[in-house]
Amino acid sequence: EAQVTQNPRYLITVTGKKLTVTCSQNMNHEYMSWYRQDPGLGLRQIYYSMNVEVTDKGDVPEGYKVSRKEKRNFPLILESPSPNQTSLYFCASSFRGTGGYSYNEQFFGPGTRLTVL
Amino acid sequence: DAKTTQPNSMESNEEEPVHLPCNHSTISGTDYIHWYRQLPSQGPEYVIHGLTSNVNNRMASLAIAEDRKSSTLILHRATLRDAAVYYCILSYAGGGADGLTFGKGTHLIIQP
Repeated sequence: EAQVTQNPRYLITVTGKKLTVTCSQNMNHEYMSWYRQDPGLGLRQIYYSMNVEVTDKGDVPEGYKVSRKEKRNFPLILESPSPNQTSLYFCASSFRGTGGYSYNEQFFGPGTRLTVL
Repeated sequence: DAKTTQPNSMESNEEEPVHLPCNHSTISGTDYIHWYRQLPSQGPEYVIHGLTSNVNNRMASLAIAEDRKSSTLILHRATLRDAAVYYCILSYAGGGADGLTFGKGTHLIIQP
């Protein structure tokens, strides 16, 4: 089954304790992204990756890191989490289209609910 | 990305058609119109997209105004499972990694 998986689905942690949320897709997609969703603010993009070893900042990258060492995986790293990073996080992936830009639907993972105390 | 305007919420009855409007008066010529929906406790899922012509797929239809300043997502026969937040999104590059800017969407309520 084509899917985007995220782990863990739920995480409660404390301020300053490094954590990683994993994201994996089995569709051979080039593009992958991380979003966070907060009440009243909608979904906002954190980082994205156009292919292996190519990443770039989205709209709200502060406090986050990513890496793309393999095509299928795109982990989100919080080196020193703070309470304002309490949120619902979604990973997404899509194919890269022709003509240098992508027009393809994004597939989203089930979400990771993170609470930082 | 150009902005979209959607009603905060809409209510419909099961097995009836639903027309979800979206205004995008500042759309540019290269902007695609996308619709995604988010079911409760799930990630967003793609519904449909278009550029200029009306589009149909197994989930819905997309009617695009001739001047492209508005569009309507049509669910032909709503079911309880269609209760979700529906997002109308514009993007010059479609659905790629440069991301989609999600607004607040329309909360669709389906009454049995």
